[in-house]
Amino acid sequence: EPEVTQTPSHQVTQMGQEVILRCVPISNHLYFYWYRQILGQKVEFLVSFYNNEISEKSEIFDDQFSVERPDGSNFTLKIRSTKLEDSAMYFCASKRGAANSPLHFGNGTRLTVT
Amino acid sequence: TQLLEQSPQFLSIQEGENLTVYCNSSSVFSSLQWYRQEPGEGPVLLVTVVTGGEVKKLKRLTFQFGDARKDSSLHITAAQPGDTGLYLCAARPDSWGKLQFGAGTQVVVTP
Repeated sequence: EPEVTQTPSHQVTQMGQEVILRCVPISNHLYFYWYRQILGQKVEFLVSFYNNEISEKSEIFDDQFSVERPDGSNFTLKIRSTKLEDSAMYFCASKRGAANSPLHFGNGTRLTVT
Repeated sequence: TQLLEQSPQFLSIQEGENLTVYCNSSSVFSSLQWYRQEPGEGPVLLVTVVTGGEVKKLKRLTFQFGDARKDSSLHITAAQPGDTGLYLCAARPDSWGKLQFGAGTQVVVTP
């Protein structure tokens, strides 16, 4: 069964450094998402992406964050200057596009900012 | 912004017992989904409910969507250790809106 894949599984970076988290969504999916989950807290929406542009973003997704679909298969999340509070699991998700269709999640990247 | 409240936060039961977890809100939803998440992994979809009053069964799991589409429940019959995990409800206010999650119910089933 096709799945969403994320790399790396764990990223350690120093405060102030830039990180890029990578995702390969399911190939025939059209909508792409990033969520994050701080340890012990709920899964939080960051951003949705469709037709090569952001369709919705949360208040968490400030100017330090950006997303890109550089080719037909990858979907990336960049954090320009990481802060300690950016430490979390970051999940990529995708869906085909039908209304109310479910999201398929990757296994996440654990980002640790020191 | 709708708030999804899940209860209880934590549930520990013996193998063979039944359990029910709840997801409630004051908002009406277009659809509601239940996911299960295990440590170090992403949420895995269990079911989507769309119609008020809808009941769906997945082996020993029974999911119900409230008549008013504001709440849902998940009932597990004869729980097994393999049912251990974090059960998350997630919902959209409309068909195309962002999916928002509740905080989850951690279920532990001991042999």
